[in-house]
Amino acid sequence: DAGVIQSPRHEVTEMGQEVTLRCKPISGHDYLFWYRQTMMRGLELLIYFNNNVPIDDSGMPEDRFSAKMPNASFSTLKIQPSEPRDSAVYFCASSRDTRGEKLFFGSGTQLSVL
Amino acid sequence: KQEVTQIPAALSVPEGENLVLNCSFTDSAIYNLQWFRQDPGKGLTSLLLIQSSQREQTSGRLNASLDKSSGRSTLYIAASQPGDSATYLCAVRSQGAQKLVFGQGTRLTINP
Repeated sequence: DAGVIQSPRHEVTEMGQEVTLRCKPISGHDYLFWYRQTMMRGLELLIYFNNNVPIDDSGMPEDRFSAKMPNASFSTLKIQPSEPRDSAVYFCASSRDTRGEKLFFGSGTQLSVL
Repeated sequence: KQEVTQIPAALSVPEGENLVLNCSFTDSAIYNLQWFRQDPGKGLTSLLLIQSSQREQTSGRLNASLDKSSGRSTLYIAASQPGDSATYLCAVRSQGAQKLVFGQGTRLTINP
């Protein structure tokens, strides 16, 4: 298995622009998570899906952030408009279930908003 | 609200030493606890997962223990090597919750 695949690996954009991050989870995994990592706040859960349905989006910072999972093999995290404080590494992760299974992370997207 | 703490934030030891990384959590009602490794610029890799009913898990030179009642877990690394240098994070899944709560991690440096 190729693991969790994220794109792009790096994204540099200007304030106010729309940013779309992409994720392909491991085949057969029912849960997909979006995390954000910064030096100040560590790893924060933004949103997670179960069987393509958003379950908990309480970690999404504000209305500028949105996430979708149109099918079992693809998810997007969109920021519109982007701000410099959104600069962070965004990780996607997936697992079979949340009780007894390990969580598998992608390599992340390093986002820099200038 | 579950909170996870890892101490120390950074640790530097000479190659060959055995070492222990610590993780504590505030709510003992958990499903499981995972230890992850993160290399610079990379994602997290799950090393060990301990279910709430288990006391420890072992993988190679790594041994993770869990004391649920005291809200503590340790990751023991035997005969440390420079390749073990990375940040180690623990994460807890509480009962009734689907998400993991992460500690801030311990940045480990093994000096040749």
